Amino acid sequence: DAGVIQSPRHEVTEMGQEVTLRCKPISGHNSLFWYRQTMMRGLELLIYFNNNVPIDDSGMPEDRFSAKMPNASFSTLKIQPSEPRDSAVYFCASTLGRTDTQYFGPGTRLTVL
Amino acid sequence: SQQGEEDPQALSIQEGENATMNCSYKTSINNLQWYRQNSGRGLVHLILIRSNEREKHSGRLRVTLDTSKKSSSLLITASRAADTASYFCATAITGGGNKLTFGTGTQLKVEL
Repeated sequence: DAGVIQSPRHEVTEMGQEVTLRCKPISGHNSLFWYRQTMMRGLELLIYFNNNVPIDDSGMPEDRFSAKMPNASFSTLKIQPSEPRDSAVYFCASTLGRTDTQYFGPGTRLTVL
Repeated sequence: SQQGEEDPQALSIQEGENATMNCSYKTSINNLQWYRQNSGRGLVHLILIRSNEREKHSGRLRVTLDTSKKSSSLLITASRAADTASYFCATAITGGGNKLTFGTGTQLKVEL
């Protein structure tokens, strides 16, 4: 069974450009989480969804960040416009109901020049 | 400040030795989990301990939880070079749904 799938794995873009990160959770999982990892701030939860509905977006740093989950098998995290300080590894994770164990994707390494 | 803070930040041991990492947290929790992250990879779940449990084992892993001290420890016995990774504790806060708050991590290096 495939795990959490993220694309692209690496993204290099210039400041001001729009960036879209994609995630496909494990089939049957109904909760999806977006995290950002940096050396300075560690692993931060940005937003999470239950049954495709955003539950907590308090970690989204500012209005430049937005996330959607149009269906149970797909989510996007968009940054518009991107800034150099957005450079980080972005992880998507999914879980089934209240089992609590989260399954992480391989991450997208974003570099904004 | 971080909900979970690991100690030490970095640990270097020889293969075959035991490695102990500690995690402290600040608020009431439903459970505490430990994850491993190999360089350049996503996190992998290792073990979960619930707030009403004090100790749990899984293979070479032993986790303890002291809710009165708001702390947990992860012991890896008979370490191997393949155990080299970063280890994170994560807490499911009471009333926080299925959201996890991750600690700062311990970088473990196991040398041959």
